Amino acid sequence: DAKTTQPDSMESTEGETVHLPCSHATISGNEYIYWYRQVPLQGPEYVTHGLQQNTTNSMAFLAIASDRKSSTLILTHVSLRDAAVYHCILRDQQGTGSKLSFGKGAKLTVSP
Amino acid sequence: AQTIHQWPVAEIKAVGSPLSLGCTIKGKSSPNLYWYWQATGGTLQQLFYSITVGQVESVVQLNLSASRPKDDQFILSTEKLLLSHSGFYLCAWRTGGCNERLFFGHGTKLSVL
Repeated sequence: DAKTTQPDSMESTEGETVHLPCSHATISGNEYIYWYRQVPLQGPEYVTHGLQQNTTNSMAFLAIASDRKSSTLILTHVSLRDAAVYHCILRDQQGTGSKLSFGKGAKLTVSP
Repeated sequence: AQTIHQWPVAEIKAVGSPLSLGCTIKGKSSPNLYWYWQATGGTLQQLFYSITVGQVESVVQLNLSASRPKDDQFILSTEKLLLSHSGFYLCAWRTGGCNERLFFGHGTKLSVL
């Protein structure tokens, strides 16, 4: 799986919209962009994923740059429950899947 | 629906003692299974991966071993714990297809004293 770059941390306030950036300059054509989030002493939770088009679900909106070298996870009306470490990961779904790496991610702090 | 269960929830063990952590997946045949470990404040590290019974691939060497004795079971163990084994252990299974994703268990918190 190729490398991604995220800020170490971001801060927000309840009710705001948060933009979490991820850079993946060496992404290859068959790699999907995945986002997971993790709170302490729990396993990561799937948030969303996409290949080329922007995607949206009940948890977040994923905006993917036209050259696919970066993406942004957009969380609207954040609450305290959205505070977590957000991981941006690239996955080649044609691969064997033997190695699935999580980096440090970006820690999102939400203030009341 | 698929469920993933890890046991025990937490363990406090002495250095040099043996350890066995378990993970069971229900509702999914031939799942791809993973063991991850996370030191306190650290990143999630993949330890082992298994695609079928009896087959386990090691990703990171931490003086631990893993086995897949049944299709729905994945075991992590060691005969002698080290202080550095302390942390949070997570089992996960991976769906396939274009909507592939990982589902994690609730984890086991291990304290080695």
